[in-house]
Parts: sequence; structure tokens; C-alpha cells
Amino acid sequence: EIVLTQSPATLSLSPGERATLSCRASQSVSSSLGWYQQRPGQAPRLLIYAASNRATGIPTRFSGSGSGTDFTLTISSLEPEDFAVYYCHQRSIWPRTFGQGTKVEIK
Amino acid sequence: EVQLVESGGGLFQPGGSLRLSCAASEFSVSSNYMSWVRQAPGKGLEWVSVINNGGAPFYADSVRGRFTISRDNSKNTLYLQINGLRPEDTGFYFCAGGGYGDYWGQGALVTVSS
Repeated sequence: EIVLTQSPATLSLSPGERATLSCRASQSVSSSLGWYQQRPGQAPRLLIYAASNRATGIPTRFSGSGSGTDFTLTISSLEPEDFAVYYCHQRSIWPRTFGQGTKVEIK
Repeated sequence: EVQLVESGGGLFQPGGSLRLSCAASEFSVSSNYMSWVRQAPGKGLEWVSVINNGGAPFYADSVRGRFTISRDNSKNTLYLQINGLRPEDTGFYFCAGGGYGDYWGQGALVTVSS
């Protein structure tokens, strides 16, 4: 099973600041990685697929990069609605796995 | 607008069975990868099962042998049959449509307790 390790566990930032979230895979997943946002009490929402492609309707402040084992989600300027938990996910090898999540909280 | 609506959650006894449904609108269950993802209370996400557009099912090791994913193309609905319920099956069950889970339902809460 591929283990995805997200860092940091918690990111404390202010609105308008830049957020950089990391996801590292225990073995290569090529570019088969997605990023999801989950707000409290809501279902996850796909932000990025195939490592660097924004999903439909996702604002341009969200961007993804990386391939192989190291991936990054960047939020260029945090809006109030961006404070949430973010998960990475690999679909390269079954079983699909998620990272443990990074909580982006208001500083 | 794409909608996925889960139903069938509730309170169940250990050892019991249930079937979750996910009714899709404006999205073809038969033409797309469809998944079930669960989330224990206060915990992270676990991808438990997928059925691909060819109808082949895949299961996480933690549920293989107890969970069965299926679909009814005529009703455009996805199902998850769960047998031999365990307390650790408690949580929200989300259906997700598309290869990466482009669309998600609101989730169905399953509580397994005596």
C-alpha cells in the first residue's frame, strides 16, 4: 500500500497569505495524484487532479505541482473560505490511499 | 447540475447488514468510475471501493469479503452492500463519481452499535 504523508499537520496563516502544503508518497505515483478540500460538515471537493490540473470551477489561486513522490498544493492568497482541511490522494496503485490531511487554520 | 444523493444510512447492530444507495442525476453511473469513500467520526478519508466503467469492482483490504459494490444502470444508481457490520464501520459514507471523484454526494451516516 502506498503511504501518503502530508506536512505540516496544521498550517496557521492569515487571510491574504500564501499557503504551501506538501504530500510525499512512499513510492512513485507518477502524476496520478489529486487534492481535495473538506470544510466542516461538508463532503470533500476535488481541487486538483493529475497533480497539476484544476478541477472545474476551482479558482486560479489554487495550483498543484510535482510528480513521482513529491507534490505541492499552493494557495496563492488565502480567502476566508479556504480555511479547511486538505487531503492528497493517489489513484496510481490500488488500494487508493489518502494522506492524513493538513488543516489550514486562521492565525 | 450533477447531483449524487446517498440514502440507506442509520443505526445498525453489529453483525447486521445494510445497503447504501447513491442516486445520480446529470451524471452517468454506467459510463464513469464510481466510488465509495468513508470517514470515521473526526478522522480522515478512506477509499473503500470502486467500480470502473467496465463494471469491475475493487475493494480495500479492510472491507474485502464484507462489502459489495454494484450499480443499476437503468436506475442510474450505485449501491454498497455491507454485511457483518462492525463498530469500526461507523462513519459517513460518501459516493463519488469520476476517476478522481469529481463529484460527491452529501454522505450517509452509518452507526454500528448495540
